[in-house]
Amino acid sequence: EIVLTQSPTTMAASPGEKITITCSASSSISSNYLHWYQQKPGFSPKLLIYRTSNLASGVPARFSGSGSGTSYSLTIGTMEAEDVATYYCQQGSSIPRTFGGGTKLEIK
Amino acid sequence: EVKLEESGGGLVQPGGSMKLSCVASGFTFSNYWMNWVRQSPEKGLEWVAEIRLKSNNYATHYAESVKGRFTISRDDSKSSVYLQMNNLRAEDTGIYYCTGGSSVGAFAYWGQGTLVTVSA
Repeated sequence: EIVLTQSPTTMAASPGEKITITCSASSSISSNYLHWYQQKPGFSPKLLIYRTSNLASGVPARFSGSGSGTSYSLTIGTMEAEDVATYYCQQGSSIPRTFGGGTKLEIK
Repeated sequence: EVKLEESGGGLVQPGGSMKLSCVASGFTFSNYWMNWVRQSPEKGLEWVAEIRLKSNNYATHYAESVKGRFTISRDDSKSSVYLQMNNLRAEDTGIYYCTGGSSVGAFAYWGQGTLVTVSA
């Protein structure tokens, strides 16, 4: 089983601030199989970025993703109030599909 | 508009059974791998089961924790996916989401979720 470890677990950012969330995999994953989700309080998760760096439909351009092998990251170029959510990475490379533990992002 | 609507959740006693249903609309259901993903405060997001396409002979895969107890199935004519859950345990408690995914294992579409509570 591929274990995904996210860092940090929680963070707070000021409006306009750049934030980066990292996702470390216990074994190497092809970048085609690493995805990110955003879950706002009271809602279902929503696909944010697929295949490491591709924005899902309707996702603002301030979001970006990068990485390879065992190290991946999600970046928000300029934090906005509507970005308050929990973010999860997920691998689709092997069974079982696994998720990171989540990063809760709050606003200062 | 894409929509996934789950039903069938509720309260069940340990050892009991429950069947979840999910009906999809707004996308070509038969072209999507369908999954069930659950969420609980204790375990976070946890993938449960996957069913692939007719061209894949409807191959299924399960998390170890549910293998032998849960069965995923689909009916492309009804744009529906199901999860039969038997011998339920307290640790199966959570919100169960129906998701539509691709061959790269991304869950593009999510339902609103249905709450399953296993308790005496």
